[in-house]
Formats: sequence, C-alpha cells, structure tokens
Amino acid sequence: GQQVMQIPQYQHVQEGEDFTTYCNSSTTLSNIQWYKQRPGGHPVFLIQLVKSGEVKKQKRLTFQFGEAKKNSSLHITATQTTDVGTYFCAGPAYSGAGSYQLTFGKGTKLSVIP
Amino acid sequence: NAGVMQNPRHLVRRRGQEARLRCSPMKGHSHVYWYRQLPEEGLKFMVYLQKENIIDESGMPKERFSAEFPKEGPSILRIQQVVRGDSAAYFCASSPPGQATYNEQFFGPGTRLTVL
Repeated sequence: GQQVMQIPQYQHVQEGEDFTTYCNSSTTLSNIQWYKQRPGGHPVFLIQLVKSGEVKKQKRLTFQFGEAKKNSSLHITATQTTDVGTYFCAGPAYSGAGSYQLTFGKGTKLSVIP
Repeated sequence: NAGVMQNPRHLVRRRGQEARLRCSPMKGHSHVYWYRQLPEEGLKFMVYLQKENIIDESGMPKERFSAEFPKEGPSILRIQQVVRGDSAAYFCASSPPGQATYNEQFFGPGTRLTVL
C-alpha cells in the first residue's frame, strides 16, 4: 500500500533558526495536506496543495508540492516558541475498500529552544 | 459555530470492559472519520462514516471494534473487551459534503483511552 514518509522525526532548533520538514510518498498524490499538532492537542489543518510545483506561503511558513506530486516540504523561517509541535503531512490513498482515505506521515516533532 | 466535539476526553477501563467514544461533527458536516494515534506515531485511519452508513471500515480491526453514525445523535466508536494494546488517543474528524479526498478535515480534541 501507499506509504508516506517524513524526515526528520525530531528537530531541535534555537529560536530564530529556520526549520524544514520533508514528506515523500511512494505513489503520486492528487493533493497533499499539512497539519500541526501541539503537545497534548489535536491535529489542526494548515494547508492543502493540489497543483504540481505549487508553492504557498502563510506568514513565516512556506509549503511546496513537488513537480512529480510525490513529495512536499514545509519550511518555517525564524522559528518562534509558538511553532513548537508535530507537523504531519497527509495524502489520500486508496483504502482497498472503495474509498480514498488520508494516509498520514509519522510527523516531525519540532522543539524550539528559547 | 462549535467545532468537533468528543467525549469523554479521558477514559480509563480495565481489561475486558467496554469503551464507548462519542463524536459530534461540526454543524453541516456529513463525513465523519475515526483515527487512532499511538505515542510518537502518526494517525491511523480506522473508519469513515456518513449518516446511517459505514462507507469504509478497512482500517478498523474486525473483532471487538465497531462504529456507527445514527440519523440522530453523535457518532460512536465502540471497543468491546478492551486490551492493553487498545490504549491510545482516538481522534474523530469531520468534513463537509463534497469530494472527501479534497476536503480538509476538522479534528476533535480526542479521547485518551487507558486500559489498565
């Protein structure tokens, strides 16, 4: 079945440094979604990318979808302590039971040292 | 507009007991999903429901687990005869009508199940 892999699994950065997490799918994706989960919290939708090569920005966050629609990245410029959490990418995969369901990567856990 | 609601937030059960987890989707949302999350892991799809219909339960263990989304009331994930391996966070998500694979999902706060 489809696999969605994320690296790195953990990242510790000094406040003000940049951060990037990478997401790779074993199959071509129709779209990719990114979610953030704060410690003890629940996943919150950040963005969806649909087009090949698409780049979207949200303030200090930049999201990219690869040309082949098999990989994606999230880059945070000048991290702040409010960026702490786990970032997940997710792509639809055929479940084998007649529908497509989101397959989540294991996430990248970001720690920011003040 | 209230978000996705789940209760209870924390649930402790002894081995062999039953666990019932409830989820009320956002107003106007007709798609409900249940996920399980183990510590330091991603979310694993369990089941996808619409009102009175199970659309896809391919991620749910065939034994002891069941789900429903009745015409009235919340969606319920039921785990019978719980075992220690069922300890996890269970998240419910909902999305509006339309092509489900292109809709963002809105997650509830989760139920943290602990089996003693």
